[in-house]
Amino acid sequence: KQEVTQIPAALSVPEGENLVLNCSFTDSAIYNLQWFRQDPGKGLTSLLLIQSSQREQTSGRLNASLDKSSGRSTLYIAASQPGDSATYLCAVEYNNNDMRFGAGTRLTVKP
Amino acid sequence: GAGVSQSPSNKVTEKGKDVELRCDPISGHTALYWYRQSLGQGLEFLIYFQGNSAPDKSGLPSDRFSAERTGGSVSTLTIQRTQQEDSAVYLCASSSRAGYDAKNIQYFGAGTRLSVL
Repeated sequence: KQEVTQIPAALSVPEGENLVLNCSFTDSAIYNLQWFRQDPGKGLTSLLLIQSSQREQTSGRLNASLDKSSGRSTLYIAASQPGDSATYLCAVEYNNNDMRFGAGTRLTVKP
Repeated sequence: GAGVSQSPSNKVTEKGKDVELRCDPISGHTALYWYRQSLGQGLEFLIYFQGNSAPDKSGLPSDRFSAERTGGSVSTLTIQRTQQEDSAVYLCASSSRAGYDAKNIQYFGAGTRLSVL
């Protein structure tokens, strides 16, 4: 069964702290992996996409890594800000259109 | 508009009624997806449209669920004889992917929150 698990379910950190969100998947035959941000009452915003042949992607203060062999991805957020508070979703695509999402990590960054 | 638009944003209905949810994808995007997000759970894939190809309906939970995409643009998700367990946020996404190896950046709408009483 293709499952995607995100740990922790919720995380609260003080402003300025660096943090890591974790995503694990049971089937390593992935096509690509995406990290999304979801704000309350809004749709998902794609943050980073890592193709199966890549090891990491960076965008500003965000860095996502992918280790297919161990079935893991991490999202690293540097120098966190209150505006980073949101739910972060990991999604794994297994074939042309089968995308599985984790339940998300709800991040709160306190001023 | 510049993004994916979904309507209505909220829908409250009585058990047993039919509902229609609408999605306007980003202009020019050939791929359109419907997902369901139940409280405290991850997104669940429902259905995928790609151009003029037959849709992938493998994620639809029952035959009460159906979706159409007219003219390769607007899509409607219909739920017949709604039940309380259908209560969820229904999200639509579109992407410009053109083939199997293409990057699949999906752009999501804000969703429709469905509540079945």
